[in-house]
Amino acid sequence: DAGVTQSPTHLIKTRGQQVTLRCSPKSGHDTVSWYQQALGQGPQFIFQYYEEEERQRGNFPDRFSGHQFPNYSSELNVNALLLGDSALYLCASSTLRDTIYFGEGSWLTVV
Amino acid sequence: AQSVTQPDIHITVSEGASLELRCNYSYGATPYLFWYVQSPGQGLQLLLKYFSGDTLVQGIKGFEAEFKRSQSSFNLRKPSVHWSDAAEYFCAVVHEPKTSYDKVIFGPGTSLSVIP
Repeated sequence: DAGVTQSPTHLIKTRGQQVTLRCSPKSGHDTVSWYQQALGQGPQFIFQYYEEEERQRGNFPDRFSGHQFPNYSSELNVNALLLGDSALYLCASSTLRDTIYFGEGSWLTVV
Repeated sequence: AQSVTQPDIHITVSEGASLELRCNYSYGATPYLFWYVQSPGQGLQLLLKYFSGDTLVQGIKGFEAEFKRSQSSFNLRKPSVHWSDAAEYFCAVVHEPKTSYDKVIFGPGTSLSVIP
């Protein structure tokens, strides 16, 4: 049983560009959450998707947006990239009968 | 608001010595608690978790943690540290577990260095 899978693993973008990160949840999970982990910090909650809608959101600007597809997979989009967006982006999935599992993350470097 | 504190930013221990990493949480209901480890350039690896039942939880790599409700603590321990245990350790609590509003609140992390 595959756990949470994320792609790409690493990527480099230029300031001002846009990026899309992808996540496939653990089998049987219907809720996907995204976290940002900046260097030297603990992960911070960005937002959560359930039934293809954003259910809750952390303290992140509107440049951060997402989407959940009917198969429960999800995308995280970040527009107008800033140098400070450089971080590890973690996807987590869960469901009512199971707890939260994290993927390996996508390392984003903005130059 | 729910929060997790890890009082020690950095700890250094000698190889073979015992280890205890402290974690305190603020949460109204019975918490779901985790300890994660992260090596440089790597993702999060789950060491152990507590949901209910026995307050002493065994995890991977010889780690254990004890939930103490009266102290709102979930400290991580290992009797004999190996050089490969050098990493960043995160304590975390799940807000509204097993609902459609669950999310993980992480502590700031404790960096562990191991002296040969």
